[in-house]
Amino acid sequence: DIQMTQSPSSLSASVGDRVTITCRASQTITSFVNWYQHKPGKAPKLLIHAASYLQSGVPSRFSGSGSGTFFTLTISSLQPEDFATYYCQQTHTAPPYTFGPGTRVEIK
Amino acid sequence: QVQLVQSAAEVQKPGASVKVSCKASGYTFTNYYIHWVRQAPGQGLEWMAIVNPTDSVTRYAQNFQGRVTMTRDMSTSTVYMELTNLRSDDTAVYYCARDPGYSYGYNYFDYWGQGTLVSVSS
Repeated sequence: DIQMTQSPSSLSASVGDRVTITCRASQTITSFVNWYQHKPGKAPKLLIHAASYLQSGVPSRFSGSGSGTFFTLTISSLQPEDFATYYCQQTHTAPPYTFGPGTRVEIK
Repeated sequence: QVQLVQSAAEVQKPGASVKVSCKASGYTFTNYYIHWVRQAPGQGLEWMAIVNPTDSVTRYAQNFQGRVTMTRDMSTSTVYMELTNLRSDDTAVYYCARDPGYSYGYNYFDYWGQGTLVSVSS
């Protein structure tokens, strides 16, 4: 199975900061990466699919990039509602549709 | 609008079984896969299973092989996930999620149910 890792596991940032989260796959997955935002007590929310395609309705401050084994999710200007946990997911070799361990974004 | 509405929270004893439902509406049921994903307390998201509503073909994560069964009822656009021989570490919030991969050729989870808390305790 393909393993996904994320870094950092958590970060503290201020409103307005630029935040970048990285995700690595244990083998090449071309662009088969999705990104989700998850807040406590809520269902996860799809942000990005196919590495860089912004889901309809998601603010343009979110962007994704990468291919092969290395991917990034960037929030260009962190907003109060962005404090959450972010997960990458690979769908290249599936099942299983593996999620990364998550990156928790906290208020500084 | 697209909705996935899950059944209510459950409390079960170790060794028992639980069956969680996910009723879909607002789209053509047979055009989208449905997945189950769970989150245990303090843990991340864990993929469990997928069903193709058109032909009912299922695939399961290795961790749950032999304990999980996904079924679907096309007459009510409902998908079910049954987990047997429950253990305390099965305590988690269980989510269903829709995947347009059947038609689109690329898999992602674009709509999610509200989650169902399953608590396993003696």
